[in-house]
Formats: sequence, C-alpha cells, structure tokens
Amino acid sequence: DQQVKQNSPSLSVQEGRISILNCDYTNSMFDYFLWYKKYPAEGPTFLISISSIKDKNEDGRFTVFLNKSAKHLSLHIVPSQPGDSAVYFCAASGTYKYIFGTGTRLKVLA
Amino acid sequence: EAGVAQSPRYKIIEKRQSVAFWCNPISGHATLYWYQQILGQGPKLLIQFQNNGVVDDSQLPKDRFSAERLKGVDSTLKIQPAKLEDSAVYLCASSQEGDEDTQYFGPGTRLTVL
Repeated sequence: DQQVKQNSPSLSVQEGRISILNCDYTNSMFDYFLWYKKYPAEGPTFLISISSIKDKNEDGRFTVFLNKSAKHLSLHIVPSQPGDSAVYFCAASGTYKYIFGTGTRLKVLA
Repeated sequence: EAGVAQSPRYKIIEKRQSVAFWCNPISGHATLYWYQQILGQGPKLLIQFQNNGVVDDSQLPKDRFSAERLKGVDSTLKIQPAKLEDSAVYLCASSQEGDEDTQYFGPGTRLTVL
C-alpha cells in the first residue's frame, strides 16, 4: 500500500516556464511534508517543506502548496532553469517517520 | 560543514555473500537513518537511531539485515546473506536533535547482488 504517490514519473518543461510537480497521500495522520531533489549518483537534498497547519510555503523560485482536504501537495518552480533537471521526491512525515514517493524526473529544456 | 559520508560507493557481490556499509553522519547529529532505495522507487526507511539507541526498525528484515551505531556516531549496516532483491542504493541520512524533519543524505552505496 503506497501511502505517498507521485503519479507522473517524468515531466519536461521549457526553460523559463513553470514546473508543477504533484504528490498525493492517503494517510491523514501525516503532518509534515517535504520535497527533496536528487541528482544522479548523489543523495537526495532537502528543498522545501510545509507543515500541515499551512497551505503554502515559498522559498525563492520554489513554492509548495498543500491541500489537506484533497490530500494533495504540489511543488511549483518558477522560472524553471536547466539546473533544476533532477528527480524530485515528495515525502510525508508523521512522528518523524518519512514515507517517500517514487519520484518525478524533471527535465528543463534550454 | 562536512556532509554525510558513506562507503563504499559501489559494491557487487554474489547472492548468499555478506556485505557491510559504513556511514559517518554530520558531526553533532544525534539521529541517523538507513534507507533502501530500489530502482524506480522512493527511499524506504530501514532503521532509525537516536544516538546509539534504535527508535524504529519496523521495516528492517531482521533475518538478514543488522545495523549498529557504536558510540552514537558512525553506523554500519550489514546484510548476511544477501539476496538478489537486495540490489538497491543504501542511503544514510542524519538530522539534528529537535529538527528531525530536516534530514541530510549521504551519496549512497549502490549494491548489486548477482
């Protein structure tokens, strides 16, 4: 039973446009959500997070939106840059135990 | 600040052999995690240590996997004997006490079991 789902395995976006990566979860007990970015041959690096008491968190070009009623979160990257090309994982946390999604490979085309 | 270190980076073994991975977390980080990431999947938590005590090992296949964290710093993860389905990247992560929501990952060890 996959509690955190990223239904799009890949996404291609033109440089300068918006990238939207989606994530759905099933467990209403999750109270903290994170996005990680992973380059080949490296470990995931923390990107941005959001607590369940908020519906939006912004950090530079990255914004995470949380819709608790829909159990859905999304990561917006504006504007997208070629260096953003990576695999993005969403993760959900309850009592500090992380459950990761399967990842979405983002390719930003120059 | 030095990141999480892991070794080896790559390991190829035959099934039924044993293998061990090593992790050195960021200095001062009390919490250490081992994840297994199978190709095409997200990382799955195997075990979580708080200092040298185990907080969660519910997803660790204890018949073949073992882990220890001596003196609350370095950690080793062992597989004995390995199976084909153990082929994966093994990621170590660490976090500061009180900020367990932010985990810092090492580069991982890619294990191939033939």
